[in-house]
Amino acid sequence: GQNIDQPTEMTATEGAIVQINCTYQTSGFNGLFWYQQHAGEAPTFLSYNVLDGLEEKGRFSSFLSRSKGYSYLLLKELQMKDSASYLCVSMDSNYQLIWGAGTKLIIKP
Amino acid sequence: GAVVSQHPSRVICKSGTSVKIECRSLDFQATTMFWYRQFPKQSLMLMATSNEGSKATYEQGVEKDKFLINHASLTLSTLTVTSAHPEDSSFYICSARSGRAQETQYFGPGTRLLVL
Repeated sequence: GQNIDQPTEMTATEGAIVQINCTYQTSGFNGLFWYQQHAGEAPTFLSYNVLDGLEEKGRFSSFLSRSKGYSYLLLKELQMKDSASYLCVSMDSNYQLIWGAGTKLIIKP
Repeated sequence: GAVVSQHPSRVICKSGTSVKIECRSLDFQATTMFWYRQFPKQSLMLMATSNEGSKATYEQGVEKDKFLINHASLTLSTLTVTSAHPEDSSFYICSARSGRAQETQYFGPGTRLLVL
């Protein structure tokens, strides 16, 4: 079956670095997305990886290993506004999105 | 980035009434639009996929006669919740994608529906 696993909740300190891991099992693979979702709001796009390696975009970076079915989202210099849920989403061979349940990130001062 | 709007952002209605939610892509042509529903503290659940000019494809368990979807143009899709009941109260989110299937989906801000 198709499955996305990511931690339910993580806590980090303002100014620190946090890594949110995600493992996926999908029927075929056409890329891995990360979305950010603040409570009561729609998700916003953060990153898209389809090749192995690290993609850096400002304070956020995303890594993909297709052979391991593994990705992570790295957030640096954490700010209070980064408190949100982070959704790991895989795209299968039919270009359908398979959604993880999200990781709730709590930032403490 | 691409912008998708939804209207209304919030709606409260009585049980038995119908509610229409609009989703518009403002600066690109959306060949495919998706409708999601999200209950509190749960992940997004895909309800249906609609391609411009054709009938929507509904996910298993989603009643097509209850959730009417119209994608009449490349910039507008509508979701009508017919004869709404309290259990339909949820956060409804649309997203839009242009052209290639592997492109990113851009999400609307969502519509919060409360059925009394």
